[in-house]
Amino acid sequence: SQTIHQWPATLVQPVGSPLSLECTVEGTSNPNLYWYRQAAGRGLQLLFYSVGIGQISSEVPQNLSASRPQDRQFILSSKKLLLSDSGFYLCAWSLGEGVEQYFGPGTRLTVT
Amino acid sequence: TQLLEQSPQFLSIQEGENLTVYCNSSSVFSSLQWYRQEPGEGPVLLVTVVTGGEVKKLKRLTFQFGDARKDSSLHITAAQPGDTGLYLCAGEGLRNTDKLIFGTGTRLQVFP
Repeated sequence: SQTIHQWPATLVQPVGSPLSLECTVEGTSNPNLYWYRQAAGRGLQLLFYSVGIGQISSEVPQNLSASRPQDRQFILSSKKLLLSDSGFYLCAWSLGEGVEQYFGPGTRLTVT
Repeated sequence: TQLLEQSPQFLSIQEGENLTVYCNSSSVFSSLQWYRQEPGEGPVLLVTVVTGGEVKKLKRLTFQFGDARKDSSLHITAAQPGDTGLYLCAGEGLRNTDKLIFGTGTRLQVFP
């Protein structure tokens, strides 16, 4: 069966510090991978998606970047965090676009 | 741009009551999915509806896709505290390259 992992689960970082959130998927090959940000109790904002190694598409301009160094690894990064980067970050995978997505447990990021 | 509006945004009810959550758009979708998310966790897929007018039942939950495939509803019968969570609809566009569009979310609280 497929599983998706995210770490860390929670993170508190000062403004201006770097960020690296990691997501890995097990039990499937060549998945589509997604990074979302969720404001408290609201819907999901798609940040990045990837259909293959090294292929990253950005949905919104922002202070963040994403990379996919391996087939089942997706990393969300920032060189200098802003207060507005605080939120709940979710990684998801799917087999194809527009089909069901399966989410990781999320990372709660607080920028102080 | 395809948008999915959910209503109500918040809903607080007593155990045993019935409720309906709506997901509306001016756009046509190939399919529509419903997810439930509990605090601090990622969304979990509940159901996918594909055909206009389709009705699917999952125990006390009834999902319906509108005839024109522009809207959907989720009806819960005899709500229980375990139904508490954020309910998200997500639509798949008509093109196979379209990303999932997530709704604005409905937060449900069921009190014992």
